[in-house]
Amino acid sequence: GQQVMQIPQYQHVQEGEDFTTYCNSSTTLSNIQWYKQRPGGHPVFLIQLVKSGEVKKQKRLTFQFGEAKKNSSLHITATQTTDVGTYFCAGTGFQKLVFGTGTRLLVSP
Amino acid sequence: KAGVTQTPRYLIKTRGQQVTLSCSPISGHRSVSWYQQTPGQGLQFLFEYFSETQRNKGNFPGRFSGRQFSNSRSEMNVSTLELGDSALYLCASSFGRVTDTQYFGPGTRLTVL
Repeated sequence: GQQVMQIPQYQHVQEGEDFTTYCNSSTTLSNIQWYKQRPGGHPVFLIQLVKSGEVKKQKRLTFQFGEAKKNSSLHITATQTTDVGTYFCAGTGFQKLVFGTGTRLLVSP
Repeated sequence: KAGVTQTPRYLIKTRGQQVTLSCSPISGHRSVSWYQQTPGQGLQFLFEYFSETQRNKGNFPGRFSGRQFSNSRSEMNVSTLELGDSALYLCASSFGRVTDTQYFGPGTRLTVL
């Protein structure tokens, strides 16, 4: 079945450093969504990408959808302690939404 | 607009018992999905209900079941609880298209002793 993997599983950075998480699907996706789950919280929607090669920005966060629509990335510039949490991608294919394995980000001040 | 609500928020059960969790979606949403989250295991998809019908199902044993009512509220049931069922159970609602944004509830933390 469709699988969505994320790397790395975990990353610990110093505040101010950049961070990137990558999302890879075994099949072509119709679209990709990104969610953030703060410690002790629940996943919250961040953004959706639909077009091949699409790039969207939200302040310090940059989201990309690959040309082949099988991968995506989330890049955070100059991390802050408020960026702590687990980031999930979720891809749609074959009429199912499949969540990625998640990347847990820890930011030290 | 009220968000997704889940009850109870915390639950402690013993092995062999059964449990029922409830999820009330955002008004107007017709799809409810359930996920199990354990440390290091990410979000494991249980099942999705749309207009009272199970539309998708994950790879969980038959001890896990669910249903959806005409008002879109959903319940999930776990019978013959095992220690490994201890987890955060999240439900998410959406309008119903697969590409729609998922709105998650706060979850029910189940502990099985």
